[in-house]
Order: sequence, then C-alpha cells, then structure tokens
Amino acid sequence: GQNIDQPTEMTATEGAIVQINCTYQTSGFNGLFWYQQHAGEAPTFLSYNVLDGLEEKGRFSSFLSRSKGYSYLLLKELQMKDSASYLCAVRDSNYQLIWGAGTKLIIKP
Amino acid sequence: IAGITQAPTSQILAAGRRMTLRCTQDMRHNAMYWYRQDLGLGLRLIHYSNTAGTTGKGEVPDGYSVSRANTDDFPLTLASAVPSQTSVYFCASSGLADTGELFFGEGSRLTVL
Repeated sequence: GQNIDQPTEMTATEGAIVQINCTYQTSGFNGLFWYQQHAGEAPTFLSYNVLDGLEEKGRFSSFLSRSKGYSYLLLKELQMKDSASYLCAVRDSNYQLIWGAGTKLIIKP
Repeated sequence: IAGITQAPTSQILAAGRRMTLRCTQDMRHNAMYWYRQDLGLGLRLIHYSNTAGTTGKGEVPDGYSVSRANTDDFPLTLASAVPSQTSVYFCASSGLADTGELFFGEGSRLTVL
C-alpha cells in the first residue's frame, strides 16, 4: 500500500530552527509537496520538490531524496505565526496526491 | 469571488437527510477535487474532475456523488447522510502550473447526528 509518515507533533522555540521529516512509500513518484494549515483554515501551498536536493524559499526550505523516499521541511527563524500543521503529500504514478496525516508544530516563546 | 468559495461553512444534519456542499472557483482551473479531513488522518480524496463534463472516484467515494456541469462549479452531494460522514470537507482546484499545486476552499464542517 501507499504510505506517508511524518511526526504527529513537534515543539520548537521562537527564533530557532526546526526540521520536519517525511518518509514515503508510493506507487511511483511525480513530485512531493508541503502545505501549511493553520487551525480551522484551509491548507496553503509551501513548496514542491521533484528533483533531489534543496529548494529554498525565504525562511522555508524543502529537501528531497528520491532514492531514500525522504523529504524534510526546514523552518528557520521561527515565528509564533508558524504554529500550524504541516502536511506532506506525494503525487504518485497516477498523478493522484497521497497525503500524510500532518505534523502539528507548536512554537513556544 | 476570489479563488474558491465553499458553502455552507458549517452544517448540522440529521442522519438520512440529503445534503449538497457547494464549491465555486473563478480561476478557470480545469481540475477540481473534494477531500475530507478527519483528525489523525491525511486528506482523503472523495471525487475529482479533470475537466468540465468528467468526474472520477477517489479513495473514499461511497455515499457521495459529484457533478461538473461547467468549469466553475463542483458540488458534492450526500444522498443519505450517516454519522461517519461527519468531517471537514475541502474543495480544491489546480491549474496548469508546473507544480500542479492545489488551491483550497475554506472548508465546510459537517456534523451528522
């Protein structure tokens, strides 16, 4: 079966750096997405990786290793507004998105 | 309208009743999707439509139906609601961007008693 694994919850301190990991086992691979979802709101797109390596976008970076079935989302200079759930999703060979359950990130002052 | 609009925002429904969740987008996106989101689970695809006039079944289609009469509208109907359909429902669309990223509506919280 297809599976996306990410930690259920993480806690970090304001101003620090946090890395949220995602491992996947899917039928084929056509890209990996990270979305941010604040409580009670809709998910919003953060990043997309289809080739191995690091994609940097401001304070957020996303890394992909296709051979290891592994990605991480790196958040730098954490702010209180970064408290949210972070969803990892993989597009499989049928171009359907398989979603992880999300990682709830709690930022403490 | 800007982006995707869903209605209603929330609804409490008696089991056995029929319910239609509305979704409208103004981005002229070809593909549209309905997901449900339950605590502890990832988003699960209910139905999708790659273009107007076509629909397909997702991971959890039983008990739901959709139609796509035009590009903008993609309603989701529960013919006879059951308590297990209590969930938050998200409509989404994607265009022709390289990434195929999804744009989500604000969600419809449905409670079936």
